[in-house]
Amino acid sequence: QSVLTQPPSASGTPGQRVTISCSGSSSNIGSNTVNWYQQLPGTAPKLLIHSNNQRPSGVPERFSGSKFGTSGSLAISGLQSEDEADYYCATWDDSRNGPVFGGGTKLTVL
Amino acid sequence: EVQLVESGGGLVQPGGSLRLSCAASGFPVSSNYMGWVRQAPGKGLEWVSVIYSGGRTYYAASVKGRFTISRDNSKSTLYLQMSSLRLEDTAVYYCAREGSGSSWAGMYYFDYWGQGTLVTVSS
Repeated sequence: QSVLTQPPSASGTPGQRVTISCSGSSSNIGSNTVNWYQQLPGTAPKLLIHSNNQRPSGVPERFSGSKFGTSGSLAISGLQSEDEADYYCATWDDSRNGPVFGGGTKLTVL
Repeated sequence: EVQLVESGGGLVQPGGSLRLSCAASGFPVSSNYMGWVRQAPGKGLEWVSVIYSGGRTYYAASVKGRFTISRDNSKSTLYLQMSSLRLEDTAVYYCAREGSGSSWAGMYYFDYWGQGTLVTVSS
């Protein structure tokens, strides 16, 4: 059972906008910043969004993040086939003195 | 260029031990908070252990007392010594580097990850 809660799956057609939610608590998302990782099949996770809404260099503007209260959200606009991957939210947990992850959301591009 | 390369994974019997290594290049391993994250087959990501630049270490409850994280600054290498291994420790183990450089842990994120090394615990 993951500390952060994500929907197990999401889907959309090319060009659509999809959002993935991430729910936590006051000891993690409520008091710290949210990060998102993309994991393509058979590869290591890749940083997609950090500090709630910051994109690392090279990440397309189609990807955006937000945080409100104890929840975070990842939005992907102009969905493309290469966006098909697993997406994980993460943040720091003050009670565990370490990072915590969501269970992951498998995004399917129909 | 920052690179992280893990090694040391393999097949081990329950109760056995294994030491994972993560060779870092492109930055001094001593200057960053570094961590190990694992992923069981078909499952999500799970934090295992972290070591701060100052040397403080923390562990997930599931591995505390069995795993030890350390680093050798002269070799720019991070280690994870695993003992009393259990079937549920079977996973791909990734090492990762913290990227914010912040003094506040609440802003921490992993900006570089290694390719992972597979640990299989089986009799």
